[in-house]
Amino acid sequence: GAGVSQSPSNKVTEKGKDVELRCDPISGHTALYWYRQSLGQGLEFLIYFQGNSAPDKSGLPSDRFSAERTGGSVSTLTIQRTQQEDSAVYLCASSLVGQASGQPQHFGDGTRLSIL
Amino acid sequence: AQKITQTQPGMFVQEKEAVTLDCTYDTSDPSYGLFWYKQPSSGEMIFLIYQGSYDQQNATEGRYSLNFQKARKSANLVISASQLGDSAMYFCAMRERQTGANNLFFGTGTRLTVIP
Repeated sequence: GAGVSQSPSNKVTEKGKDVELRCDPISGHTALYWYRQSLGQGLEFLIYFQGNSAPDKSGLPSDRFSAERTGGSVSTLTIQRTQQEDSAVYLCASSLVGQASGQPQHFGDGTRLSIL
Repeated sequence: AQKITQTQPGMFVQEKEAVTLDCTYDTSDPSYGLFWYKQPSSGEMIFLIYQGSYDQQNATEGRYSLNFQKARKSANLVISASQLGDSAMYFCAMRERQTGANNLFFGTGTRLTVIP
């Protein structure tokens, strides 16, 4: 499809394990965002990419969280030594240009992460 | 201070009636954009409507319109002729331009239930 694709859709893992979440943005979208949504809450910003660069990492909650983007396309969010409080839905979004007004962010279906 | 405030955790509306979902925002940036997203139970975030801070007219998209009152810093979403498929969570979000932040700040959402 032409939308933002995220994988896996669901991930269950044990506390202390590392996880990788993948996002494939809409083709041609230079801006890519990761958000986290805890149960019943709004979205919490994690990190923003413009091309392969991440000018804004201010939302990453700890140094266990990291993200990269290669080829100006696919991005991977990695959580090391997972904790139970990391359980949430991780949403990826992309947009044509980061700064342009009116450019909506288009979201993927998210990865539901459950830490046992 | 919260950048986006949605004071209605839940709202009910009779099918075919209109409903207003409240959103107030807080920013000192003179240039900003306001967005509304719909999140059905399936989890995807669907972009509905956008209002720029310098737009002279209220935004409209089909059955969705935005009641933008700049002096009051409010951007309420109006859904006309409600349908059962409108039952979902609705999130108001803002992007500030001059701060250089590209992420969206989200409210905590309003759960709308359309009653047949």
